[in-house]
Amino acid sequence: AQSVTQLDSHVSVSEGTPVLLRCNYSSSYSPSLFWYVQHPNKGLQLLLKYTSAATLVKGINGFEAEFKKSETSFHLTKPSAHMSDAAEYFCVVGIKAAGNKLTFGGGTRVLVKP
Amino acid sequence: GAVVSQHPSWVICKSGTSVKIECRSLDFQATTMFWYRQFPKQSLMLMATSNEGSKATYEQGVEKDKFLINHASLTLSTLTVTSAHPEDSSFYICSAKTSGRAFGTDTQYFGPGTRLTVL
Repeated sequence: AQSVTQLDSHVSVSEGTPVLLRCNYSSSYSPSLFWYVQHPNKGLQLLLKYTSAATLVKGINGFEAEFKKSETSFHLTKPSAHMSDAAEYFCVVGIKAAGNKLTFGGGTRVLVKP
Repeated sequence: GAVVSQHPSWVICKSGTSVKIECRSLDFQATTMFWYRQFPKQSLMLMATSNEGSKATYEQGVEKDKFLINHASLTLSTLTVTSAHPEDSSFYICSAKTSGRAFGTDTQYFGPGTRLTVL
């Protein structure tokens, strides 16, 4: 079985400052890891994914994440937050052996202050 | 590319009626579709997995007779909430996965969601 823990339910940052969203996972198999963003009353948009290639993954809108197997972490970062980054972010693990079913973290709500 | 649509985007119905939600992959063939529900300010919970042409696989605790899933073609899956009650009110989101290489075989693409309110 796999699980995902997002360590912060809420993160508040000032516009122009770095953003760090923390995610730890557990999995019996080699996982695929994803970060999705959800704006209010909208579906999910894929930010980036890790699938056993480069451990530093660059995504859309300036986001990137680093897969650290030894720490079972997949933290999401962005060097400079924009107001449009205010949203809910989900760290997600998928296991091919489990039919690619996704397990979602609890989500982190990001607030960006002007 | 990899666009998934849902219809309707929102629906209000009376208790005891049935509601059908459609999920379509617009520019790729979806060999597998997934249905999730999301309660306010909570994460997504997988309800069921459907493969084209076969019966859906439901997660533990999800009533298959209440949430009927049909995946009749490679671009369409439907979720029917039968005899809906107020506790079924939720945000229902579908996703689709393809076996083709163009969009990544392990990536799910999500629809915009359907908000169901049962009065």
